[in-house]
Amino acid sequence: DAGVTQSPTHLIKTRGQQVTLRCSPISGHKSVSWYQQVLGQGPQFIFQYYEKEERGRGNFPDRFSARQFPNYSSELNVNALLLGDSALYLCASSLRLTTYEQYFGPGTRLTVT
Amino acid sequence: ILNVEQSPQSLHVQEGDSTNFTCSFPSSNFYALHWYRWETAKSPEALFVMTLNGDEKKKGRISATLNTKEGYSYLYIKGSQPEDSATYLCAFAATGANNLFFGTGTRLTVIP
Repeated sequence: DAGVTQSPTHLIKTRGQQVTLRCSPISGHKSVSWYQQVLGQGPQFIFQYYEKEERGRGNFPDRFSARQFPNYSSELNVNALLLGDSALYLCASSLRLTTYEQYFGPGTRLTVT
Repeated sequence: ILNVEQSPQSLHVQEGDSTNFTCSFPSSNFYALHWYRWETAKSPEALFVMTLNGDEKKKGRISATLNTKEGYSYLYIKGSQPEDSATYLCAFAATGANNLFFGTGTRLTVIP
């Protein structure tokens, strides 16, 4: 079974641009969560989607948005990029709306210049 | 924002040494405590999910204990090997919350 996959692996963008990151959950998993890890810190929660509905949102500005598709894959969009958005963005999937088991992808490294 | 702390921040040990790290978390609204092992450029790998006070879990040379009343968990590695080199993350799950609160991790380097 394939694990959680994310694309792209790396991305370089300029301040003010927009970016879309993609995540495919483990087959059969209906929940996808997004986390941001800035260098030197632990991952911080951005969004959770379950059955295509937003079920949780962390303390991030409205420039961050996400959606989940009928096949349960998900996209994270960040508008008007700032230098501080440079980070590793992790996607996690779980079978249910629960924190008991979350499986992570390898992340997308975003660099904003 | 819940405070989850891990210590030490980094650790260098010789091959064959045993070592342990600490994760501190809030003692209220506890649901679960997760340990992940994270190698550079790979996905964080789930090691343990612990839910009950006094829980002890073991996976090969790695084990973990949980004290929910005082809000801490220990991760032990017996006879460290170079392949154990990684960042070990703990994450706290609160009741009613759908997300994990992570510590900053302990970076372990095992010297051959």
